[in-house]
Order: sequence, then C-alpha cells, then structure tokens
Amino acid sequence: EDKVVQSPLSLVVHEGDTVTLNCSYEVTNFRSLLWYKQEKKAPTFLFMLTSSGIEKKSGRLSSILDKKELFSILNITATQTGDSAVYLCALPGDSGNTPLVFGKGTRLSVIA
Amino acid sequence: EAGVAQSPRYKIIEKRQSVAFWCNPISGHATLYWYQQILGQGPKLLIQFQNNGVVDDSQLPKDRFSAERLKGVDSTLKIQPAKLEDSAVYLCASSLRGLDGREQYFGPGTRLTVT
Repeated sequence: EDKVVQSPLSLVVHEGDTVTLNCSYEVTNFRSLLWYKQEKKAPTFLFMLTSSGIEKKSGRLSSILDKKELFSILNITATQTGDSAVYLCALPGDSGNTPLVFGKGTRLSVIA
Repeated sequence: EAGVAQSPRYKIIEKRQSVAFWCNPISGHATLYWYQQILGQGPKLLIQFQNNGVVDDSQLPKDRFSAERLKGVDSTLKIQPAKLEDSAVYLCASSLRGLDGREQYFGPGTRLTVT
C-alpha cells in the first residue's frame, strides 16, 4: 500500500523564521511528488518534483526531492503570517491511473 | 481561466438523509476527481472519471455513495443515506489528462455536517 508520511504534523513559528517541512513516501512506481498549500478549503498547487537533487523555487518557497532516500522537503524562508496553512504532500498512487495519495499534512502557524 | 466550481459550499443534514454535491471542472479538463477530506486528514480519493467513464472507484462506499459524469463535463456526488462519519469536506479536482501525475486543480469544496 502506498504511504505518504509528513512531519511535523503541526508547527508554530514567528514571522521571519525559516521552516522545513518533511515528506517521506513509499510507492512501488514513483512518478512524481506534489506539494499543495491548503488555507481554507481548496488545496492550491505549489510544486511538482520528478528528479532528485533539482530544487524547485518560487519566491520564498523551495522544494527538493531525494529519490534514493524517498523523501522531499519544503522550505519556507522569512515566513509571513500569510504562510499559515496546511501543507500537503501527495504522490500519484501505484495504480495505472493517477489519483493522488495524500499525507496528513503539516499545519503551519506563523505568528507576528 | 475559471477554476473548478462546486456547490453548495456548506450543507448540514441529519443522519439517514440524502445529499448531493455538484462540480464543474475547468473547461477542457478530461479528468475529474472527487476526494473526501475528514478533519485532520489529507484528502482521500473517492472516485476518478476520465471523460464520462469511471477509472477508479475502489475507495467509494458504493452502498451509500454514487457519482456520475454523464456528459463528460460536470459531475454529481450523492450520499444516500448519510452517516455521522460522512461529515467531511468533499473536494472536486480536475486535470487536463490525468495520465502523468501532473498537478490537479481543486475546487473550494463542500463542507458536509451530518448530525
């Protein structure tokens, strides 16, 4: 069974701090790993990673994948209160189709 | 580009009642997904459509849940009869082809409370 484990489950930081969110996975047939941000209801897409060691970057957010050790990290530098959200890691399942298997998410709270 | 539309946004029903949710995906997106997200959990796939055909419904509780996408565009998800444990946010998502793990675009979701 495919597994996606995120840590920590929750995190409280002050504005300006840097945070690292972790996602480890077990899938039989890896194709990609996706990060989403969920503020209220709809998860919004952040990154898709397919290759090890290649950092994806968008503003203060960046992510990298390690296919050998089966994990990914999402970094947020100089956090702002608007970064407060649940960050979800997901991978396409092992079936021939691509429903996403999600982790439980990391709830990040950034306080002023 | 208009996003994925869902309605209603909130619904409160009593157990054993029926409820239906509607989703209109992004124009041109062939693949449509319904996910259930229980509080504190990540979304869990209920059913996946490719155009108007069901691709994966292995995790759909078929004794009470049903879904259709008759014309390959919008979709409805029905629960009949509802149970307390069905309280969750129901998310609809769509993707262009759904064949290569690319990003899915999510709607705002419907928060269902079963009392």
